[in-house]
Formats: sequence, C-alpha cells, structure tokens
Amino acid sequence: ETGVTQTPRHLVMGMTNKKSLKCEQHLGHNAMYWYKQSAKKPLELMFVYSLEERVENNSVPSRFSPECPNSSHLFLHLHTLQPEDSALYLCASSQLAGGYNEQFFGPGTRLTVL
Amino acid sequence: QQQVKQSPQSLIVQKGGISIINCAYENTAFDYFPWYQQFPGKGPALLIAIRPDVSEKKEGRFTISFNKSAKQFSLHIMDSQPGDSATYFCAASKGAQKLVFGQGTRLTINP
Repeated sequence: ETGVTQTPRHLVMGMTNKKSLKCEQHLGHNAMYWYKQSAKKPLELMFVYSLEERVENNSVPSRFSPECPNSSHLFLHLHTLQPEDSALYLCASSQLAGGYNEQFFGPGTRLTVL
Repeated sequence: QQQVKQSPQSLIVQKGGISIINCAYENTAFDYFPWYQQFPGKGPALLIAIRPDVSEKKEGRFTISFNKSAKQFSLHIMDSQPGDSATYFCAASKGAQKLVFGQGTRLTINP
C-alpha cells in the first residue's frame, strides 16, 4: 500500500449505530487530518493531529470522536449520527517540518446515515 | 481574514480551450498556494503549488499565475482535455499551519 488509505470506502449506518472510520498513511508524515466534504461546505476541516496530539477541533459535535494511536493511523469513531452527517469523509496527512503544509489525501469514506 | 474566495463555481470549456480559475485571499501572511484536483469518488490530489517569491509556475499544461499585490492567484489549463473534467480547489497556508481551501470549481471540458 502507498500513500493514504481509508476503510471502509462506503458505509451506511442507522442513527443509533456505532461505527469507526480508519485511515492509514504510508508516507512517514507526522500530521493527520479529518475533513468532511459535502455539497454545502466542500472541504470542512474537522480535526488535526500533530505528533499524535490533537491540536485542532473545529467545533465538531461530540458524536464524532477522533483517535490517533500512532503517527500512521487515525480513526474517526461515530455514534448516534444524524442524516445531515451524510458526506464524504476524507483523511489527509502531511509532514510539518519548517516549510509548508503539503497535504496528501486518501480516497475518502462515503457515509450515508439513514 | 482566513478566507480564500474561489471563482467561478462551475466552468464549461470546449476541448482545446483555456480553462481559468481564480482565487483571492486576505491574509498577507499566507506563503504557500496549492491547487488540488478531485475526480468523482476520489480524494483531492495535489496538482501544482506556488510560493509567493515567484509570479508564475508551469507544469505541463497547468500554470499558476500569482499576483502578490492584488492578493490573487489563478490556475490556467492550456489545451483543456475531457480528462481534465474534475473539481478544482485552491488553498493557502502560512508556513506549516492548516490549509484554508476555496469553495471549489467544477470544470467540464466538452469534447
């Protein structure tokens, strides 16, 4: 595997379900991100992890819970979601080392909440 | 101050024509300006990027033009092809800080 991978690629869940999205980066980067992409807000930053510490949480509802166990893996735990949470969830990674934030994206998980 | 405004929202160009997408920013501290290309069902992929010390960067048919005084930058796609049909996002950041993305432009190249 190369680059940034995400699983599952598609997920359908009910409002009472609990599920998790997984992201893995094979680039040796030290920062990882979760974005939500929907028709209303094309690329909405949700969470940022730098060196496994959460450094940004953009007022995301608590029904979304991120976890970064190491620099290569990032999870987004989902529970009691709403239909308006249906969107494409994108993971990205970058190497934050005195330069610029060149981010590499995964293919995304298409989430549908019934 | 943190916004990046992108236009147009959608663009239709004939095959062989020039596609032009524009972005404007407010934060003069931004020093990195990438463009991302996204095909349906895929994540955004870095296409080309520029730093403010140059006014233009060209990679194949793709060119970024950068106007520091006007706080604007644009993507030009020369000899546009149907395979270029995608959504394009501009972005900006200061150093290693988070990227601020534009709203995206859906480009359609008619054969």
